Amino acid sequence: GENVEQHPSTLSVQEGDSAVIKCTYSDSASNYFPWYKQELGKRPQLIIDIRSNVGEKKDQRIAVTLNKTAKHFSLHITETQPEDSAVYFCAAGDNYGQNFVFGPGTRLSVLP
Amino acid sequence: EAQVTQNPRYLITVTGKKLTVTCSQNMNHEYMSWYRQDPGLGLRQIYYSMNVEVTDKGDVPEGYKVSRKEKRNFPLILESPSPNQTSLYFCASSQKPLAGTQFFGPGTRLTVL
Repeated sequence: GENVEQHPSTLSVQEGDSAVIKCTYSDSASNYFPWYKQELGKRPQLIIDIRSNVGEKKDQRIAVTLNKTAKHFSLHITETQPEDSAVYFCAAGDNYGQNFVFGPGTRLSVLP
Repeated sequence: EAQVTQNPRYLITVTGKKLTVTCSQNMNHEYMSWYRQDPGLGLRQIYYSMNVEVTDKGDVPEGYKVSRKEKRNFPLILESPSPNQTSLYFCASSQKPLAGTQFFGPGTRLTVL
């Protein structure tokens, strides 16, 4: 089955700096890679996703890159703000919801 | 308002006492899924359902049952709960399996003594 690793487990950045979180996956059949943000005590919410036919996707300050050959994908947050502080999860799966696996999460702290 | 609801939100029970956590969505979504969240392990998929009467095991199905008799409901059943099932549980739904955003319910915090 699919296995997703995520690094780092914790990340602290100064407000205004960039943050990068990296994930690797094992199953070459995976073709859907979402990122979720979970604030303390709340439910996960999708912030961006990418499919295997696209190498990069951007939405304002958030971007995701995918290297299918190397089986890794990354989340990039630019101009970080205190409200970006949360736990971020990557995930990998196929179009049918099978083998949909989350990474263990990265706790991002944006320091004022 | 489009939403996924779960009940109860908090539950403390004892080993062996059968319980059901309900999940309901009002978005006419085909795909529904249950996850458990444990510190350091992220979210692990327990069961998922592609449509009514279609369910399949996720990563950690042992000790759980589900049913999908109606499109909107996807209850999670613990026939004989054990302390290692103490966790935070999330239900999620999406229109197609992964064609769009998975909407998560608010979570159910379960403690099994």
